[in-house]
Amino acid sequence: GENVEQHPSTLSVQEGDSAVIKCTYSDSASNYFPWYKQELGKGPQLIIDIRSNVGEKKDQRIAVTLNKTAKHFSLHITETQPEDSAVYFCAASRSSASKIIFGSGTRLSIRP
Amino acid sequence: DVKVTQSSRYLVKRTGEKVFLECVQDMDHENMFWYRQDPGLGLRLIYFSYDVKMKEKGDIPEGYSVSREKKERFSLILESASTNQTSMYLCASSKSGIQETQYFGPGTRLLVL
Repeated sequence: GENVEQHPSTLSVQEGDSAVIKCTYSDSASNYFPWYKQELGKGPQLIIDIRSNVGEKKDQRIAVTLNKTAKHFSLHITETQPEDSAVYFCAASRSSASKIIFGSGTRLSIRP
Repeated sequence: DVKVTQSSRYLVKRTGEKVFLECVQDMDHENMFWYRQDPGLGLRLIYFSYDVKMKEKGDIPEGYSVSREKKERFSLILESASTNQTSMYLCASSKSGIQETQYFGPGTRLLVL
């Protein structure tokens, strides 16, 4: 079955710097890659997603890139702010599946 | 705004007890999911349901069962709780179809003693 690996497990960056979280997936049929953010005491919330027909997608300070050949995708956060501190999960799914497979999560801390 | 609520934020139970975790969503979503979240393991799917009275096993269904008698409510049942079921349990819902955004509840942190 699908396996999604996520690195790093923890990441600490200075406020204003960029943060990058990387994921790899095993199922070449996967074509949908969402990213979820979980703030303290809350459930995860979708922040951005990308489908396999595009290589990059941006939404303000957040961008996601996809390399289908290498089967990896990344989340980029620029100009980090304190409210970016959270746990981030990548995920992958194929169009024939009802479920998505999550990575193990990255705890991002923003240092003031 | 979609709202997914879970019956308890924290729960302490004894080994062997029967435990019910309740989840309610208010957006008429067809799909509902139960995950458990453990450090270093991410979110793992226990069961999901795509319609009333329908259920499908996820990746780790052993030791759990579910019930969906009404569209808005999805219950997770631990028939005989064990210490290795101590975890954070997250419920989610989504529209019908595949690859729809999942909306999560705040989670229930369960401690089994």
